[in-house]
Amino acid sequence: QQPVQSPQAVILREGEDAVINCSSSKALYSVHWYRQKHGEAPVFLMILLKGGEQKGHDKISASFNEKKQQSSLYLTASQLSYSGTYFCGTEEGGSQGNLIFGKGTKLSVKP
Amino acid sequence: KAGVTQTPRYLIKTRGQQVTLSCSPISGHRSVSWYQQTPGQGLQFLFEYFSETQRNKGNFPGRFSGRQFSNSRSEMNVSTLELGDSALYLCASSWGGRISYEQYFGPGTRLTVT
Repeated sequence: QQPVQSPQAVILREGEDAVINCSSSKALYSVHWYRQKHGEAPVFLMILLKGGEQKGHDKISASFNEKKQQSSLYLTASQLSYSGTYFCGTEEGGSQGNLIFGKGTKLSVKP
Repeated sequence: KAGVTQTPRYLIKTRGQQVTLSCSPISGHRSVSWYQQTPGQGLQFLFEYFSETQRNKGNFPGRFSGRQFSNSRSEMNVSTLELGDSALYLCASSWGGRISYEQYFGPGTRLTVT
């Protein structure tokens, strides 16, 4: 079941904040976040595991509500380099290794 | 540490032909996943191999197959190519195992079917 991401696109000015949401109708084991710039491969940002463990970059924060099967990615004090398409990928319980990605959120940061 | 490598980077094939794509994971990684990326469908999971065994499979027809070798390198094969198979094929490697690890993506193979 493909997770639903919102918003589909967002435009920010440098220094502004943004929140990208990801929700699933299935019980999740983990949520992954990746960023893909045009013409490049997706790059790992954050992984959130059931039970509260998180792994990721220092400047990125995210949350995982296990009861609601929702995750949010928080981008604060945005920089031009934050521009790209953000994908959440979800793993359902018992299917580790089977990442189902959302359609992506296109983020544009303007000077 | 070298990243994930994929060969070839670009490929043009004709309908009905078959194609084999190769992926070399990061040294020490035992899991390799394959994805198809198209503008319309986004990133779609094809299959995942862990220690030479297919552990998960996405919703793709049997024309799509793969395998993993003892050195963790993986190949993906598409037989009887269709125009709709034109896409960027990405592989990603991770430590694998029973808990979830981040995936590292290769640059992809751009397949064009004419």
